[in-house]
Amino acid sequence: KQEVTQIPAALSVPEGENLVLNCSFTDSAIYNLQWFRQDPGKGLTSLLLIQSSQREQTSGRLNASLDKSSGRSTLYIAASQPGDSATYLCAVEGGQGAQKLVFGQGTRLTINP
Amino acid sequence: GAGVSQTPSNKVTEKGKYVELRCDPISGHTALYWYRQSLGQGPEFLIYFQGTGAADDSGLPNDRFFAVRPEGSVSTLKIQRTERGDSAVYLCASSPSGSTDTQYFGPGTRLTVL
Repeated sequence: KQEVTQIPAALSVPEGENLVLNCSFTDSAIYNLQWFRQDPGKGLTSLLLIQSSQREQTSGRLNASLDKSSGRSTLYIAASQPGDSATYLCAVEGGQGAQKLVFGQGTRLTINP
Repeated sequence: GAGVSQTPSNKVTEKGKYVELRCDPISGHTALYWYRQSLGQGPEFLIYFQGTGAADDSGLPNDRFFAVRPEGSVSTLKIQRTERGDSAVYLCASSPSGSTDTQYFGPGTRLTVL
């Protein structure tokens, strides 16, 4: 059974810092990995999707990497801003025809002005 | 274009009652998913539809939970004899065709069972 773990559970940093969020998964047979953002009381917004054949994806100040063999992904946020404050969720889509996403518990990020 | 919409946004019910939660996916998306998110946790998969059929319902916790998508568009999640432990946010997502596609999530329905 696929399990996804995110470390740390919560992170608070001053504005302007670069930061890294970590995600690990137990079964390397995945189709893709996604990073989502969730604001309080809201749904999920997809930030980046990395296909299993890819190593990384970039969007603006965000960079996500994937090391499938070791079961790890990182989300790098450059020059953090208070508007980046949210919960960040990592999810993997399994192989063998499994379409469902398996999520980690999230990292709650606070950027202090 | 319009995103995924869910109604109601909030639902408060009493233990033992029946509830229905509705999801309107993005137009043209054939794949539709239901997830449940408890406080402080990531979403957990419930069921996946490809068109009108449930392709994977392995996440439904028991037979009190049922979902339909009769015309391949709108889906309804039905919960019978609700229990306090069913309280959570129920999220719906859709994607163009399924595998390897980005899933687009709705805002969720917050269900509270008193």
